[in-house]
Amino acid sequence: QKEVEQDPGPLSVPEGAIVSLNCTYSNSAFQYFMWYRQYSRKGPELLMYTYSSGNKEDGRFTAQVDKSSKYISLFIRDSQPSDSATYLCASPHSNYQLIWGAGTKLIIKP
Amino acid sequence: ETGVTQSPTHLIKTRGQQVTLRCSSQSGHNTVSWYQQALGQGPQFIFQYYREEENGRGNFPPRFSGLQFPNYSSELNVNALELDDSALYLCASSLVGGMNTGELFFGEGSRLTVL
Repeated sequence: QKEVEQDPGPLSVPEGAIVSLNCTYSNSAFQYFMWYRQYSRKGPELLMYTYSSGNKEDGRFTAQVDKSSKYISLFIRDSQPSDSATYLCASPHSNYQLIWGAGTKLIIKP
Repeated sequence: ETGVTQSPTHLIKTRGQQVTLRCSSQSGHNTVSWYQQALGQGPQFIFQYYREEENGRGNFPPRFSGLQFPNYSSELNVNALELDDSALYLCASSLVGGMNTGELFFGEGSRLTVL
């Protein structure tokens, strides 16, 4: 079992829809959780990070962690075609490495 | 743009050959990490360098080796290339201790194809 699991998609939604992206993790020691966005032929870029349980909001993006169920979510409101990308969740395994999900490919249709 | 530059952007090698990939880190960052990303997969940690020393290593064989230079730039060397080494190789620069906030700044990667 991978430590971080993510549905690869693709997930296709119409412009303006609310998008829900999800990950599950198995390691109870994980405390910090990140969401990265990766456009085609580019490196990942950090969107948000959260610590422990709860919600964090940044503009149209909301990250949510439920440690009791080991479930991580990213919500995108008012989705735009420019949001089309692969979204990766990750958590630090140590002081030097991140453990990543496989990424979910998101397609926003105009 | 992150300020992290990688070269070359694309390259093709044959099995058994050796390859060197290069990375210039973002100004002020003292830590460089290398990740391998196979098609359709998340990045896999190869190793991290801090102050020119390997600071941690993932589950990769010794034929994957690296260097960090005094200006914090870095190289990834892979010997005896195998078909499964075909992937996007990502370099990320950060400040030490930036892992918990995920503040790694990635370059655009070097796409390696092994034939």
